Amino acid sequence: KNEVEQSPQNLTAQEGEFITINCSYSVGISALHWLQQHPGGGIVSLFMLSSGKKKHGRLIATINIQEKHSSLHITASHPRDSAVYICAVRSRIVRGGADGLTFGKGTHLIIQP
Amino acid sequence: DGGITQSPKYLFRKEGQNVTLSCEQNLNHDAMYWYRQDPGQGLRLIYYSQIVNDFQKGDIAEGYSVSREKKESFPLTVTSAQKNPTAFYLCASSLDRGRGEQFFGPGTRLTVL
Repeated sequence: KNEVEQSPQNLTAQEGEFITINCSYSVGISALHWLQQHPGGGIVSLFMLSSGKKKHGRLIATINIQEKHSSLHITASHPRDSAVYICAVRSRIVRGGADGLTFGKGTHLIIQP
Repeated sequence: DGGITQSPKYLFRKEGQNVTLSCEQNLNHDAMYWYRQDPGQGLRLIYYSQIVNDFQKGDIAEGYSVSREKKESFPLTVTSAQKNPTAFYLCASSLDRGRGEQFFGPGTRLTVL
């Protein structure tokens, strides 16, 4: 079982719709990241959070540490929001000395005009 | 402009050849990372480096090698021992290990023919 599960895997919505992408994880974490990957492949960090809620423009990220769950919301969605959204966690436990993030498989979002 | 550069964006090599992927950052970050991305899978950590002249294996280091002779540079060599080298490779950096946001390069898509 993956340590980080995202849902849905694919999401197609109409412009203007409110979008929610979910991320569940199974390990204790020190931080959770939401990343955006555009078709060209480059990745941009959207949020890093360890508690509560963060907002940037039309994007909102929330995390519930007790439930090991985070959500990414997009309000008033636009075709330019079409991308792959990736959840990644930094575990409190370092496995075998490896460091870095553990990534979900991503949610492929398409916003149609 | 501060950031991470990877070159080239697309790379083709014949089977059995070693190939080196470049990653340079001018963010003055101590930690650098190499990830591999395959279709339908989350990013997986290949190698990371916390400081110059030090690096550690990640989850899938077999068939890869790295060096960290300068703070700004963390090249990845894909050797002929890597059984399935065709993939998208992403380099990232962070201020220090285990903390802070990771910044990603644009990626290199390697195809082995």
